[in-house]
Amino acid sequence: EDQVTQSPEALRLQEGESSSLNCSYTVSGLRGLFWYRQDPGKGPEFLFTLYSAGEEKEKERLKATLTKKESFLHITAPKPEDSATYLCAVQSTGANSKLTFGKGITLSVRP
Amino acid sequence: KAGVTQTPRYLIKTRGQQVTLSCSPISGHRSVSWYQQTPGQGLQFLFEYFSETQRNKGNFPGRFSGRQFSNSRSEMNVSTLELGDSALYLCASSLQGPYNEQFFGPGTRLTVL
Repeated sequence: EDQVTQSPEALRLQEGESSSLNCSYTVSGLRGLFWYRQDPGKGPEFLFTLYSAGEEKEKERLKATLTKKESFLHITAPKPEDSATYLCAVQSTGANSKLTFGKGITLSVRP
Repeated sequence: KAGVTQTPRYLIKTRGQQVTLSCSPISGHRSVSWYQQTPGQGLQFLFEYFSETQRNKGNFPGRFSGRQFSNSRSEMNVSTLELGDSALYLCASSLQGPYNEQFFGPGTRLTVL
């Protein structure tokens, strides 16, 4: 069974203080790893898809990286508007595989 | 272009009742997926419909069912509600399926008393 563990559960940063969010996963074979952002009272918003180890993607202050066992979401010089819950999900290569989400990391950035 | 819409936004039901939730995907999207989100379990996949056919189903009891219409709009039904069904139910649409970029709606907050 696919498993996704995100850590830490919550993270508080000062504005400008860079950090990384971790997503560890266990799958028989990885078809894709996804990062989403969720603001309170809203549905998740797609950020990135990573497909193979070594792949990296960037968007503004966010950079996602992937290894064979985990993914990191690096946040460089965060701003208060980056405060949200960040969700990681994986899909395995098995037939009829489903998206399995982690429980999320709640990021709070103080001005 | 208009995003994914879900109705109603809030629902309060009592145990034993049934409920139907509605989702209108982004125009042109043929895949609609449903998720349950709770503080304890996080976001869990319920099922996915593509062109009116259920393509995939999560590990939920048969009380949870869904369907998709020819215009890609989808409904989800929960029968014989239990207290543990209280959750945020999210609908997501995409062009090909949940392994592509998905666009989520704002969700329906269901409270079972």
